[in-house]
Amino acid sequence: DAEITQSPRHKITETGRQVTLACHQTWNHNNMFWYRQDLGHGLRLIHYSYGVQDTNKGEVSDGYSVSRSNTEDLPLTLESAASSQTSVYFCASSHSPPGQGRSEAFFGQGTRLTVV
Amino acid sequence: AQSVTQLDSHVSVSEGTPVLLRCNYSSSYSPSLFWYVQHPNKGLQLLLKYTSAATLVKGINGFEAEFKKSETSFHLTKPSAHMSDAAEYFCVVGSGYSTLTFGKGTMLLVSP
Repeated sequence: DAEITQSPRHKITETGRQVTLACHQTWNHNNMFWYRQDLGHGLRLIHYSYGVQDTNKGEVSDGYSVSRSNTEDLPLTLESAASSQTSVYFCASSHSPPGQGRSEAFFGQGTRLTVV
Repeated sequence: AQSVTQLDSHVSVSEGTPVLLRCNYSSSYSPSLFWYVQHPNKGLQLLLKYTSAATLVKGINGFEAEFKKSETSFHLTKPSAHMSDAAEYFCVVGSGYSTLTFGKGTMLLVSP
């Protein structure tokens, strides 16, 4: 079955370190997204991509970057981890732009990142 | 621009009683609206979606939502709560080529 997987599921890192969270999907979806989930804020969009070599900033992109070199993967990099980036991170993918509602956005299981 | 407001951060019901989770939205364009559910330490699962077809939308596990344009609302209902419904629920809005905008979530607590 097609799926979307995130790794690692849990990570503890130190302030100032560079961290990369992996997201891999096997649906061949063009559209991929990264969200962070914090108590009282719901999910907020960090970065997204509508295809290979395409990346866009979301609502809370400062301190994060992504690259899209193939269809399957959208890694999220924290350039210099800060305690404010302690959060749960979700990756998602969809066949068509999700706002159109023609296809479902599928979410990974999440990565819990703690910056100490 | 688009936004969504979930009117209750927590809702408590007894098993077997009706569930109502309230959501209001704003959108500059014809919106697509979704409800997602998140069980503890899990990812998000789509419950149902509205995409300008029928205004009453049926989803999984007995949930329904009604799109009311005049009230800019998309409330989620279920006639009879089950213990397994205890989770966090997110109302989500999107339109055209926009990305999805999530509400802050409503935690549903179900007591025996």
